[in-house]
Amino acid sequence: ELKVEQNPLFLSMQEGKNYTIYCNYSTTSDRLYWYRQDPGKSLESLFVLLSNGAVKQGGRLMASLDTKARLSTLHITAAVHDLSATYFCAVPRAQETSGSRLTFGEGTQLTVNP
Amino acid sequence: NAGVTQTPKFRILKIGQSMTLQCTQDMNHNYMYWYRQDPGMGLKLIYYSVGAGITDKGEVPNGYNVSRSTTEDFPLRLELAAPSQTSVYFCASSWRGEKLFFGSGTQLSVL
Repeated sequence: ELKVEQNPLFLSMQEGKNYTIYCNYSTTSDRLYWYRQDPGKSLESLFVLLSNGAVKQGGRLMASLDTKARLSTLHITAAVHDLSATYFCAVPRAQETSGSRLTFGEGTQLTVNP
Repeated sequence: NAGVTQTPKFRILKIGQSMTLQCTQDMNHNYMYWYRQDPGMGLKLIYYSVGAGITDKGEVPNGYNVSRSTTEDFPLRLELAAPSQTSVYFCASSWRGEKLFFGSGTQLSVL
């Protein structure tokens, strides 16, 4: 059974600081997805990582994927309040076409304080 | 394009009642999904469909049914609602399983 674990689950940080969210998964997968959810809102796709060593950047966020370690990171640079949200990673089940059945992590609730 | 549209946004049911959550997408996506999100948790897949006429169970299908008669629509039916079905329900769609586009969600309470 595929398990996806994120840590930390809760993160409170000051504006201007850097931090990394980790996503570990238990079975082989060559792709991984990151989503953002604002309180009371739906999920929005942030990054799609499609191969080992993939790195994607958008604004103050950068995501990377190491399929051999079964690990993805979401790095936050110089955090700003607008980044406050819950971040989810998701992994497709092995041997299936991409995204046909995603297993989500529990989410990391990020709060950026002034 | 409206994207993925879900109705209703909120609903309160009594135990034992039934209802249908509606989902429609206008992006001509072949894959559609229903997820539920319990407070403070990630999403759990209830049912999914890879095309009209084809549906399959996800992780937590018990108590739910789906149909996919058209590419656009993927309704979720709750039969005999139970308090354990209190959750936020999200419909999503994608093209061949790539990036998912989510609807705005339905907050359901069963009392």
